Amino acid sequence: ILNVEQSPQSLHVQEGDSTNFTCSFPSSNFYALHWYRWETAKSPEALFVMTLNGDEKKKGQISATLNTKEGYSYLYIKGSQPEDSATYLCASISNDYKLSFGAGTTVTVRA
Amino acid sequence: EAQVTQNPRYLITVTGKKLTVTCSQNMNHEYMSWYRQDPGLGLRQIYYSMNVEVTDKGDVPEGYKVSRKEKRNFPLILESPSPNQTSLYFCASSLQGIDGYTFGSGTRLTVV
Repeated sequence: ILNVEQSPQSLHVQEGDSTNFTCSFPSSNFYALHWYRWETAKSPEALFVMTLNGDEKKKGQISATLNTKEGYSYLYIKGSQPEDSATYLCASISNDYKLSFGAGTTVTVRA
Repeated sequence: EAQVTQNPRYLITVTGKKLTVTCSQNMNHEYMSWYRQDPGLGLRQIYYSMNVEVTDKGDVPEGYKVSRKEKRNFPLILESPSPNQTSLYFCASSLQGIDGYTFGSGTRLTVV
């Protein structure tokens, strides 16, 4: 049973449209949250490292927010492009540095 | 180039034949970790290491061993592989454990 949950499992978005999806995690013993981007046939690559409640991070047209009190993070993609197609993983890190991954949200951007 | 190198990329073996998957990083990272990825289950941590000679179990350690005799290397050992260890394995490293992890290219293991 995963205690880090991501939803939806997959989504399709038209090129140019914006989208967002959720990662929920246990708020107790929270230390940090990571977002990774995982393209097919490649390895996961770190997008964001977030630690503070209210944190917002941005990289190009992708951004993320963090709510540590209620245990969730949103990832936003603005103006989706075909190259944004990937699986986006979130991982929660506890006080003892254990990393727990969610199952991911697979984004497919249709041209 | 900063990287995590895993070998082999693909491996087919038979039940019970001991094998080692190697992992090496050239970034002087303190933390190293092994994961397996199975459909619908996400990445599950097998073992992790916070420094030389310091290792700890992750969520699914049964059937695996690791060692960290040098900072750069973190091999994963399957003493007696079984078919339920057929999976995609990733090694990853991080400077201090809370910053982003750098992943290796993955090892697809099939145990028949």
